[in-house]
Amino acid sequence: EDQVTQSPEALRLQEGESSSLNCSYTVSGLRGLFWYRQDPGKGPEFLFTLYSAGEEKEKERLKATLTKKESFLHITAPKPEDSATYLCAVQAGWGAQKLVFGQGTRLTINP
Amino acid sequence: SQTIHQWPATLVQPVGSPLSLECTVEGTSNPNLYWYRQAAGRGLQLLFYSVGIGQISSEVPQNLSASRPQDRQFILSSKKLLLSDSGFYLCAWSPGTGAYEQYFGPGTRLTVT
Repeated sequence: EDQVTQSPEALRLQEGESSSLNCSYTVSGLRGLFWYRQDPGKGPEFLFTLYSAGEEKEKERLKATLTKKESFLHITAPKPEDSATYLCAVQAGWGAQKLVFGQGTRLTINP
Repeated sequence: SQTIHQWPATLVQPVGSPLSLECTVEGTSNPNLYWYRQAAGRGLQLLFYSVGIGQISSEVPQNLSASRPQDRQFILSSKKLLLSDSGFYLCAWSPGTGAYEQYFGPGTRLTVT
């Protein structure tokens, strides 16, 4: 069974304090790994897609990387507005593009 | 550009009452459509997905059902709500071929009392 595990569950940082969020996955035939940002009471917002090991994507203070077993979301010099829950999801196998989501990491950036 | 709408935004319903949540997508044709439920502090659980009009696949057996009467319309229904149906319901779409990322609507907060 395809599984996605995110760690830590929650993370508090000071403004400017860089860190990384982890997404470990077990799938048979990874087709893509996705990162989303979700603010309280809102739908997830798409951030990145990674397709193969070694791939990296960047957006402002965020950089996502992928290995054969896990993905990292690196946050450099975060600001309070980066506070949100970050969700990781994988698409495995062939067919109708179903995603399996992790439980998310709740990130809080204190000013 | 593409836009996804969900309504209502919030809903409070008594146990045993019916449910109808609607999702529509603008600016694209023949999208794949999805319904998810998110319990408080947890990840997303896929409930239903559809690759075309009238084509519905169920992921979790329960008292909910889905229908796709038009290309860009997806409806989540129940004949009798249970307390356990409370949660945050999200609709999403993805292009039918090629790209795989899904784009989510604003969600419906359902409270069953």
